[in-house]
Amino acid sequence: EPEVTQTPSHQVTQMGQEVILRCVPISNHLYFYWYRQILGQKVEFLVSFYNNEISEKSEIFDDQFSVERPDGSNFTLKIRSTKLEDSAMYFCASSLAGVVEETQYFGPGTRLLVL
Amino acid sequence: AQKVTQAQTEISVVEKEDVTLDCVYETRDTTYYLFWYKQPPSGELVFLIRRNSFDEQNEISGRYSWNFQKSTSSFNFTITASQVVDSAVYFCALSPLTGTASKLTFGTGTRLQVTL
Repeated sequence: EPEVTQTPSHQVTQMGQEVILRCVPISNHLYFYWYRQILGQKVEFLVSFYNNEISEKSEIFDDQFSVERPDGSNFTLKIRSTKLEDSAMYFCASSLAGVVEETQYFGPGTRLLVL
Repeated sequence: AQKVTQAQTEISVVEKEDVTLDCVYETRDTTYYLFWYKQPPSGELVFLIRRNSFDEQNEISGRYSWNFQKSTSSFNFTITASQVVDSAVYFCALSPLTGTASKLTFGTGTRLQVTL
């Protein structure tokens, strides 16, 4: 069964460093998302992406964040200068398209720790 | 604005007991989706069910059943004859039915602990 994959599973970085989190969405999906979950809290929407541009972003997704689909399979989240409060689990998700199949399938997550 | 409330923070049951997880939502959209996701201790988010706002039929899948009541804005989830493997955090979520990339709004989750 196709699934969303994410790398790395864990990342430790120093405050101020740049990190890139990688995702491979399900191959025929067209909509891509990033969410984050601070430890013990709820899952929060960061950004959605369709047709090579951002569809929607939350207040959390400030200028320090960017997303890219560099090729036909990868979808990346870059945090330009990490802060302590960026420590969280980051989930990538993808969905097929449109009204009929709007279920978002999630990857296993990348646990980011900023020291 | 959309909001999902899961008032039960944590529930503990003994194996084979039935348990119901509550979900209440708020939205101004006339059409929307409701979801349940499971987050086991390993951390991933596993899709369980999607329900359209215009389909109020209850659904049963094995030991799982869902009760959607638009009149009370609730979408409750019942596990019958719970098992230890059901121990996880369960999230209810809501998204507008737009036909485009729609963000999910999650509740705060209910941690279910099933013991022997």
